[in-house]
Formats: sequence, structure tokens, C-alpha cells
Amino acid sequence: EAGVVQSPRYKIIEKKQPVAFWCNPISGHNTLYWYRQNLGQGPELLIRYENEEAVDDSQLPKDRFSAERLKGVDSTLKIQPAELGDSAVYLCASSRRGGGPRFFGPGTRLTVL
Amino acid sequence: SQQGEEDPQALSIQEGENATMNCSYKTSINNLQWYRQNSGRGLVHLILIRSNEREKHSGRLRVTLDTSKKSSSLLITASRAADTASYFCASVHTGNQFYFGTGTSLTVIP
Repeated sequence: EAGVVQSPRYKIIEKKQPVAFWCNPISGHNTLYWYRQNLGQGPELLIRYENEEAVDDSQLPKDRFSAERLKGVDSTLKIQPAELGDSAVYLCASSRRGGGPRFFGPGTRLTVL
Repeated sequence: SQQGEEDPQALSIQEGENATMNCSYKTSINNLQWYRQNSGRGLVHLILIRSNEREKHSGRLRVTLDTSKKSSSLLITASRAADTASYFCASVHTGNQFYFGTGTSLTVIP
């Protein structure tokens, strides 16, 4: 089966600019996650979707971050405006069920200058 | 932070040696999972051990779980250069709350 697809792989922007990341999960996986991973750290959850519904967005900085998952398949994560501290790798993952293995995409490395 | 702790933070061994890394978590779990991350790539699921299991094997991987100590260990036997990566544990709690550890960076020297 095809893996989780993310784009772009790399993005360099200046602070205060907007940026968007796209994710296509594994077919049949109802649960989709966005994580942020800082250098030398484990991934931290930003938002979890069950189909179209965001069921856990408690760690999403809602003043500048937004996400959507239209039709319960693809998802986009947006930052507007970006800050220097947003530089990180943004990972998308999907799973068949919440407690099982998560399948990760390659990530988008964001650099904010 | 809910992140678990892993140790060591970094480990360097010769090819053919065994590598052991440890993970501790804070509250009771449903299961615990181990992942590998190669540089610049996403995480890859390696193995899942349930809270009622004490040991599990998969190829050259051996995972143990001690729920009384809230800890787990991952043993990679007969390591290869291709095992060079970062390894993360993830504890899964009630409501499928999922927390990654801080990771162990493993370098296997050919």
C-alpha cells in the first residue's frame, strides 16, 4: 500500500509569512495526526482527526495555526503568520485505530528566517 | 510535558554488538510502541507490546515491559550499520493518548 504523502518536503519562509502543509494519509485510515518535531526531540501532537472531526486539538496554537480535513481524507495545516519559533519538522501520520501503530509521512522541514 | 524519558540519549557501538535502550513513562498504559527514525525521514513503527505482555520479539528486536517500574527496553542484537537511526518509544494511555519519548540516537560503526 502507498504510504503517507506530504508536501512540500522543505519550506523556507520569512517570519510573518503564511505557510501551508498538505498530507494524504494511507487509504482506509480514518485517523489522521499532525505532529511537530523539534531538533533532538520526539514528535508532539498538534491535532488528531477522526474522519472529518478534530477530536484533539488541545496542543494546537489556535491564534496562528489552523487545520482542516475535508471529506475525511486529505488534510492541510496552516500557519499564519509564521514566527521564528515555528521552525521544526511537521509530520503527518495516519492509523486504522487510535491505539495502534501510526504510519508517518516523511515530514516537511520548515525554516522561518 | 507528558513525554517519557529515554536513555541513553546517544549510543555508539561497533557493528555486531548489541544495543540496548530504555524508556520510562509516567502513568499506566494500554500498550507501548517503539519507532525508528532515519535522518530526515518520518518515523517507522517497529513493534508494539501490550500492557499484559512482558516480552516480545521481532527478528533482531527484543522488547521488554515492566509495568511495575513503568519502563521498557529495546534490544537490537547483532547490530548493523543500517540500524543507525534515532529510536523512540511511545506510550499509549487511556483514550488513546499517545506520548513519544525523547529518543535515543544510535550510531553503529562498521
